[in-house]
Amino acid sequence: KAGVTQTPRYLIKTRGQQVTLSCSPISGHRSVSWYQQTPGQGLQFLFEYFSETQRNKGNFPGRFSGRQFSNSRSEMNVSTLELGDSALYLCASKRTGGVGNYGYTFGSGTRLTVV
Amino acid sequence: AQKVTQAQTEISVVEKEDVTLDCVYETRDTTYYLFWYKQPPSGELVFLIRRNSFDEQNEISGRYSWNFQKSTSSFNFTITASQVVDSAVYFCALTDNNAGNMLTFGGGTRLMVKP
Repeated sequence: KAGVTQTPRYLIKTRGQQVTLSCSPISGHRSVSWYQQTPGQGLQFLFEYFSETQRNKGNFPGRFSGRQFSNSRSEMNVSTLELGDSALYLCASKRTGGVGNYGYTFGSGTRLTVV
Repeated sequence: AQKVTQAQTEISVVEKEDVTLDCVYETRDTTYYLFWYKQPPSGELVFLIRRNSFDEQNEISGRYSWNFQKSTSSFNFTITASQVVDSAVYFCALTDNNAGNMLTFGGGTRLMVKP
């Protein structure tokens, strides 16, 4: 079966712009989470969506937002980009919303570079 | 609060050597879940294993084995007879009932297997 698909794979944006990243979960998976990975901070949780509702949010400024559609596809948006937003953004999907019931499947990520 | 510590930032071994990656975790919850992920250069996090706090049995899967010890809050990962294809960054992660589906990751251990 198809894995978690993230688009685009690479993105270069200018400081001050905004960006939208997309994540298509595995078919049947209703929970989608987003993580930011940087060399300095490592892997950090951004937010989680389940059935179109944000259930959990990490410690990121309001410039980071997301949404989930009825088909479970998710998008995250970063407005007013800063150089420090340069990172690998990873999306993970999970079959149900239950804690730890199943493993999380990650996509290959979108590498965002802000110049 | 949750915390995962991977004290080894980088390990270099020669092919066919055994190698153990250490993971120490902290959580106040009595129900929690531990994971190991592998991140090859492509960026995708590949799920290796999930273990819940009620199951302290060690597990072996081919050349991989995991040693879960609640008494020392450790969940160590051993690769037997390492191969060049094992070269990657390995992450230990934790979630519990209070964290929802948020994974807290360790800083990762970069494993380099030389031929």
